[in-house]
Amino acid sequence: SQQGEEDPQALSIQEGENATMNCSYKTSINNLQWYRQNSGRGLVHLILIRSNEREKHSGRLRVTLDTSKKSSSLLITASRAADTASYFCATLSGGSYIPTFGRGTSLIVHP
Amino acid sequence: DAEITQSPRHKITETGRQVTLACHQTWNHNNMFWYRQDLGHGLRLIHYSYGVQDTNKGEVSDGYSVSRSNTEDLPLTLESAASSQTSVYFCASSSGDRGTEAFFGQGTRLTVV
Repeated sequence: SQQGEEDPQALSIQEGENATMNCSYKTSINNLQWYRQNSGRGLVHLILIRSNEREKHSGRLRVTLDTSKKSSSLLITASRAADTASYFCATLSGGSYIPTFGRGTSLIVHP
Repeated sequence: DAEITQSPRHKITETGRQVTLACHQTWNHNNMFWYRQDLGHGLRLIHYSYGVQDTNKGEVSDGYSVSRSNTEDLPLTLESAASSQTSVYFCASSSGDRGTEAFFGQGTRLTVV
């Protein structure tokens, strides 16, 4: 069963706008990761945030984690058409090394 | 550069046939995973391995098997292919450190007719 659930399922914005995606999960985690999947390709790791961290940045990406609400958000600033992809959150919990994925958010950035 | 490769990229097979999807990684990772991706379901775990000779069932393991005879390879076998197994299959690997990322192959699109 899915541990994480992304929201919204689909997001359509104009180039230059910011895109925010949310992820909610059910059980305690060790860390939460965000991945991107371009159409017809495998998933690519974007960023990891540990359970004791609240915010992390990487280039135009900003990830927040609220363990009390069991939720995370991914913000992509100044979106580009090349950011068009599906974005997935994945959690690692307990002693497991297995990333458990949500259903993803489909982002379309219009030029 | 290290990589993870899947083959074939596309496969069409008939119901009832045995099919094996290959996954080979050169990261020297202990952990390897097989997922299937279907519309509306995201990625679901089929089988995983934490090292040579170790294999474990995931969420949707019925009808699938894996073997791990070396570090580099985790082939996925569909023992008797069914139309419900039409899907895109992804192999992934990660190191033994709990905090590290997973690296994914490009996927195999399998159609069972």
